[in-house]
Amino acid sequence: QKEVEQDPGPLSVPEGAIVSLNCTYSNSAFQYFMWYRQYSRKGPELLMYTYSSGNKEDGRFTAQVDKSSKYISLFIRDSQPSDSATYLCAMSGGTGNQFYFGTGTSLTVIP
Amino acid sequence: EAQVTQNPRYLITVTGKKLTVTCSQNMNHEYMSWYRQDPGLGLRQIYYSMNVEVTDKGDVPEGYKVSRKEKRNFPLILESPSPNQTSLYFCASSLSPRGQETQYFGPGTRLLVL
Repeated sequence: QKEVEQDPGPLSVPEGAIVSLNCTYSNSAFQYFMWYRQYSRKGPELLMYTYSSGNKEDGRFTAQVDKSSKYISLFIRDSQPSDSATYLCAMSGGTGNQFYFGTGTSLTVIP
Repeated sequence: EAQVTQNPRYLITVTGKKLTVTCSQNMNHEYMSWYRQDPGLGLRQIYYSMNVEVTDKGDVPEGYKVSRKEKRNFPLILESPSPNQTSLYFCASSLSPRGQETQYFGPGTRLLVL
């Protein structure tokens, strides 16, 4: 079983839509939960992180972590064409010092 | 400007010909990593380093070597490349492996092994 599972999409939405991206994980020891955004032909860049359970909001982006269900989400409100990218979830803080990434979800926001 | 640099950006080689991909960061970060990114498999950690002379295996270390002789540099070595190592490689660095410390990624090295 993979440490982190993520639906690869692709996901295509109209501009202004609310986007929901999700990941599940198997290692209950994970403490740090991150979302990275990767534009085509670029390296990933950190979008948001959350420590343990709870919600975190930053502008149009909201990250949620439900440790009891081993489920994390990223919501994008009022999506823009510039949000078109691949979104990767990542986790760390288990017994080792590794990062575990999901496969990424490709998002296209259509003007 | 804070950055992670990788060289070369593109590389075509043949099976068995040793190669090194360099990685350098200018942020005085202690934690550095190498990842490979493959379609359908996502980003997988190859090796990471907590500090100078401290390296450890990630999920997919077979066929790779690393060294950390200086804080800023973390080269990835393929002693005898094989076609299944054709991939997109990223180097990354951060202050620590904890999630609140932003992990900065390099621009990537696209490797083709014939």
